[in-house]
Amino acid sequence: AQRVTQPEKLLSVFKGAPVELKCNYSYSGSPELFWYVQYSRQRLQLLLRHISRESIKGFTADLNKGETSFHLKKPFAQEEDSAMYYCALSNSGTYKYIFGTGTRLKVLA
Amino acid sequence: NAGVTQTPKFQVLKTGQSMTLQCAQDMNHNSMYWYRQDPGMGLRLIYYSASEGTTDKGEVPNGYNVSRLNKREFSLRLESAAPSQTSVYFCASSEGGQMEFFGPGTRLTVL
Repeated sequence: AQRVTQPEKLLSVFKGAPVELKCNYSYSGSPELFWYVQYSRQRLQLLLRHISRESIKGFTADLNKGETSFHLKKPFAQEEDSAMYYCALSNSGTYKYIFGTGTRLKVLA
Repeated sequence: NAGVTQTPKFQVLKTGQSMTLQCAQDMNHNSMYWYRQDPGMGLRLIYYSASEGTTDKGEVPNGYNVSRLNKREFSLRLESAAPSQTSVYFCASSEGGQMEFFGPGTRLTVL
């Protein structure tokens, strides 16, 4: 079954500490993986896509096909990173996206 | 360039009432989507439209209908609202299959 698992509902870290938001997936095809972020009272935004291998706002994510993971990392958390983060996958060439249940990140001063 | 817009922002319905949620995008995207967001369940796809004139069911289509009126507009209709449809509804659009633009959401409460 196609599934995206985000095991942590809430992750609290102190400002300046490293952050890792976990995402595991199960999919038999060739998925494309994404991270989306939703700041308080704002709409959902695309943060990262694995195919571009980019770093946005200091965040990176590496697709590990062996472990079927796509964890989101940032070396030094900032208070403005506090938000809801969703991992999602789509099968290349289709339009159906599957979202995880989300992880709320709280960065404490 | 407004991106993706949704109306209304808030709505309260009684069980059995009907309503239509409107979505429009001005980016000339081919694909449009409707999601619902519930606590602890993330976003679940209700319906999507890969291109003008086509619509397909997503993960949770029961109780909903959609219309892709033209390339810009994609509406979601609840024919007979139920309390289980209390949720936040998001419309999104994309080009090339990478979903990037979301609307601000509609918060719907069904009593």
